[in-house]
Amino acid sequence: QKEVEQNSGPLSVPEGAIASLNCTYSDRGSQSFFWYRQYSGKSPELIMSIYSNGDKEDGRFTAQLNKASQYVSLLIRDSQPSDSATYLCAVWGGSSGDKLTFGTGTRLAVRP
Amino acid sequence: EAGVAQSPRYKIIEKRQSVAFWCNPISGHATLYWYQQILGQGPKLLIQFQNNGVVDDSQLPKDRFSAERLKGVDSTLKIQPAKLEDSAVYLCASSFYGGTEAFFGQGTRLTVV
Repeated sequence: QKEVEQNSGPLSVPEGAIASLNCTYSDRGSQSFFWYRQYSGKSPELIMSIYSNGDKEDGRFTAQLNKASQYVSLLIRDSQPSDSATYLCAVWGGSSGDKLTFGTGTRLAVRP
Repeated sequence: EAGVAQSPRYKIIEKRQSVAFWCNPISGHATLYWYQQILGQGPKLLIQFQNNGVVDDSQLPKDRFSAERLKGVDSTLKIQPAKLEDSAVYLCASSFYGGTEAFFGQGTRLTVV
C-alpha cells in the first residue's frame, strides 16, 4: 500500500464549480498535512496546511482532515481556469519516520 | 524574504558523467529536503537534513548519489556516475523545522543522454 494515495485524474470541472480533491494516507501516526499546487514545468507551491481534525478555510480553498478515516481533502470553490494544475498531497510523520512524503498528484482541469 | 535558491536551473550531461546541484534554503530553516521528480510522478524524497544531520536517506541510491549540508545551511547533491534513469527534476525544499510548511526552490532539470 502506498503511503499517500491520490487519484491521478484528470478531474474535469466547469468554471465556477467546486472541485473536490481527495487523499488517503496509510500511517495513522501522521501529524501534518499539506496541499501543494504544481503547474506544468514549475515547482510545487504550498497552498494549504492542516494539522488537526476539521476544516480550514483560506479564500476559495478549504482543507478537510479526518484522522480517524485517514483522509485529507481539498475543496476549491468557484474554480477558475487558472486553477488547472496538478495538486499534490503531502503528509509528515508517523511510524515510518519524521519525513515529508508526497502522493502522485491529481490533475485538475477547469473548463471555461 | 528570499526563497529557496537552487542552481543550476538546467543541466545536460552524458551518462557516466558526474553532476552537482546546489541549494540555499530560506534563512533560519533548519530542515532541508532533496526530492527527485520524474515526469508524471510525485516528488520522491531522496534525503532530509535537520541542521547538518541526516534524518532520512532511505531512498537515496547511495552507490551513486551523495549529499551534504555543511554548517547546516546550504547543501549540495551529487550524482556520480549518472545513468539515463536519473533524468528528472531535482527539487530542494526547506522548512523552519520538521513538520512545518516546506517551501520549494525552482528545481534543476537534469537530462542524461
